[in-house]
Parts: sequence; C-alpha cells; structure tokens
Amino acid sequence: EVQLVESGGGLVKPGGSLRLSCAASGFAFNTYSMNWVRQAPGKGLEWVSSIRFDSSDIYDADSVKGRFSISRDNAKHSLYLQMNSLRAEDTAIYYCARTAVWPYGHLDSWGQGTLVTVSS
Amino acid sequence: DIQVTQFPSFLSASIGDRVTITCRASQGISSYLAWYQQKPGKAPKLLIYAASILESGVPSRFSGSGSGTEFTLTIINLQPEDFATYYCQQVRSYPRSFGQGTKLAIK
Repeated sequence: EVQLVESGGGLVKPGGSLRLSCAASGFAFNTYSMNWVRQAPGKGLEWVSSIRFDSSDIYDADSVKGRFSISRDNAKHSLYLQMNSLRAEDTAIYYCARTAVWPYGHLDSWGQGTLVTVSS
Repeated sequence: DIQVTQFPSFLSASIGDRVTITCRASQGISSYLAWYQQKPGKAPKLLIYAASILESGVPSRFSGSGSGTEFTLTIINLQPEDFATYYCQQVRSYPRSFGQGTKLAIK
C-alpha cells in the first residue's frame, strides 16, 4: 500500500524557516516524480513544487521561487521542502503527492498533510 | 502559464441528481487534465485522469470528458458521500495549475 506521511509543520514567525519531510513507503520511490501542494485555510489547492525521480529537474511556483527548495533522498525514501523567508500567506496545509507514471502527470497518491502557520 | 477556470464555484443538488462541473484551460492541453475530490479535513483523492479515465475504485457514476480547452466532470445519481469539493488540474505543463474548486452541497 502506498503511504506518504508528512511531518515538520508548526508555528513559525514571519521571516523564519521550516523544513518539511515526507516519508514514502509501499512503492519504488526512486522511480516516481514527487510534489508539494498546499491549501491555505478555507481556500483551494495550490501546486507548490515538483521534482523528478532522479532530481534532474525541479519546478517551483512563482509564489515560492527563491524561498522554497524541494529535494529528495531516494536512499531514505524521503521528500523534503525547505521553506525560508516565510510569510503569513504561506500559512497552509502542505501535502506531499506522487506523480503518476509517464505519460500521465496527475497526482495519484497524497499524504494527510502537515500544517504550517506563519504568525508573530 | 496555463490558467484553469473552473465553474460553478458552488453547486446545490439533491440525492439522485445529475450534476456537471466544467474546467476551461487558457490554452490547449490535449487530455492532460485530472479531477480530484476533497472532503472536509481530508487530503484530495484522485477521481479521473487523462480527462476521462476513471481511477481504480472510483464509482462508475463519475465520468469525465473533453479535450483541448474544455472539460467536464459529470456525476449521475448523486449519493450522500459525493457531497464534497471538486478540483481540476492541468498536467500539460508547469506550473501545474488547479481550478478554483467547486463545492457540491446537499439541497
């Protein structure tokens, strides 16, 4: 069974940093592209960042470019999101999600999410 | 960047009804569109991918259609568990934009 478990969320002050983790199990992690998607309280889904299976390509939303950095450790079956210079508008639930196999690009498995609150 | 416009944002329907939700892409995306269902306090769940392929385990009362710029999600014979929020997402190119969401409520 595919499992994605996020951790690392919490309360942080504006301008602070946080590192989210996503532990993957139940599938060959090193063969799948992975993503972070967030959802602000009461709002819709926002794609944040994606990374190819071998880290050869990384894509970021304009809203986080230069502040957030996605990475992965295939040996540890883990995905990460380093978040710097956090702003109030980054407050959201952050979901880790798996990209389906090529040629499809949809997100076929999701974690339960971790809440990040940016507030003084 | 490809923009995705989803409508309506709110839909009220009764058990047994048929409803349709539409997503429009700002440029052609072939069939690179997915639909997700989200219930309160839960992660999104994949329903349909490649515009019309039903994810395994999803009831056949859900269907998707369209290609290019116009797509629809149709639910027939609405069941109590279908009342949720639905999102489309284009996966043709980055950034992988989502629609604004449609909240489906019981009338």
